[in-house]
Amino acid sequence: GAVVSQHPSRVICKSGTSVKIECRSLDFQATTMFWYRQFPKQSLMLMATSNEGSKATYEQGVEKDKFLINHASLTLSTLTVTSAHPEDSSFYICSALESGTSSDEQFFGPGTRLTVL
Amino acid sequence: RKEVEQDPGPFNVPEGATVAFNCTYSNSASQSFFWYRQDCRKEPKLLMSVYSSGNEDGRFTAQLNRASQYISLLIRDSKLSDSATYLCVVNSPTGGFKTIFGAGTRLFVKA
Repeated sequence: GAVVSQHPSRVICKSGTSVKIECRSLDFQATTMFWYRQFPKQSLMLMATSNEGSKATYEQGVEKDKFLINHASLTLSTLTVTSAHPEDSSFYICSALESGTSSDEQFFGPGTRLTVL
Repeated sequence: RKEVEQDPGPFNVPEGATVAFNCTYSNSASQSFFWYRQDCRKEPKLLMSVYSSGNEDGRFTAQLNRASQYISLLIRDSKLSDSATYLCVVNSPTGGFKTIFGAGTRLFVKA
């Protein structure tokens, strides 16, 4: 089956630093990837849609200058949380759609747990 | 009104019980529907897609009612391992392809 990896799985950083999270589709190509955020006991909230070779589409209320997304290849999207603050602490999950199919099933990465001190 | 609504539960059921979850969605143009399962501090995993004709996978049955805009999931003969949060997921064409997750329904199956 389609596998999506995320790295790192867990990161703890100081306030003000930037953190980069990678999302990779391991055995398929993904023109479109999604980035979600999940706070404790809440559901996944879509942050942005990442499109290979073009700018990401951000959901309302998500600052594009704070959450930088780069989808430079068909197998890799990165999310950089710039100048992270404690309120950015969350579980960040990416998903990918397989290119060249009509299926809209999303394959999820295992998530990255970010803690900002 | 939320775009996708679920009863948060929790549902506490004994092993062997049958339990049903419902989910309603507001966008009548929604195109595809899924149930995902999420264990604590893990990523969601696809449980099953939901088709207009309904579909069954072992102990799990999913149904879609487009007229009433709701989706259901039935779990028969509950196992301890079924304890998790079940997420209703709807894909809508609004503003391009958009996936909306329900808040999830928590299920606890007890011995």
